[in-house]
Amino acid sequence: EDKVVQSPLSLVVHEGDTVTLNCSYEVTNFRSLLWYKQEKKAPTFLFMLTSSGIEKKSGRLSSILDKKELFSILNITATQTGDSAVYLCAVLNNAGNMLTFGGGTRLMVKP
Amino acid sequence: DAGVIQSPRHEVTEMGQEVTLRCKPISGHNSLFWYRQTMMRGLELLIYFNNNVPIDDSGMPEDRFSAKMPNASFSTLKIQPSEPRDSAVYFCASSLRQFDTQYFGPGTRLTVL
Repeated sequence: EDKVVQSPLSLVVHEGDTVTLNCSYEVTNFRSLLWYKQEKKAPTFLFMLTSSGIEKKSGRLSSILDKKELFSILNITATQTGDSAVYLCAVLNNAGNMLTFGGGTRLMVKP
Repeated sequence: DAGVIQSPRHEVTEMGQEVTLRCKPISGHNSLFWYRQTMMRGLELLIYFNNNVPIDDSGMPEDRFSAKMPNASFSTLKIQPSEPRDSAVYFCASSLRQFDTQYFGPGTRLTVL
């Protein structure tokens, strides 16, 4: 059974701090890993990672995948209160487009 | 450009009633997914369609749940009869092709009393 584990479960930081969120996975026939941000509504797409070692960047957010060690990290620099959300990691496999989600990391950024 | 549209946004019903949730995927997207999210179990894939054909429904909890996609722009998820443990947020998502990024609708918050 495919498994995705995120850590930490929750995190409280102050504005301006840098945070690193972790996602490890055990997936049969891995295809890609996705990061989503979920506030009080639907998850919104952040990144899709397919190749090891290639950093994806969008503003203050960046992410990288390690297919050998089976994990990914999501970095957020200079955090802002608007970054407060649950960050979800999900893994897509080749066998039927199954997207397995981790439990999420709840990030709270205090002013 | 409209994203994934779901209706209703909120549904409160009594145990035993039939519930129908509706989804309109992004125009031109060929894959559609139904998810359920609860505090206890997180986000779970229930069923997905590719070109209107159900591909994998192994996540559907039991026979009380059924999903249809009669055409490329509309899908329904039906629960009959509903039970309190079905209370959750139900998300619909679509992607351009199989294996592409999935974009989520706003969700339907279902409460079964």
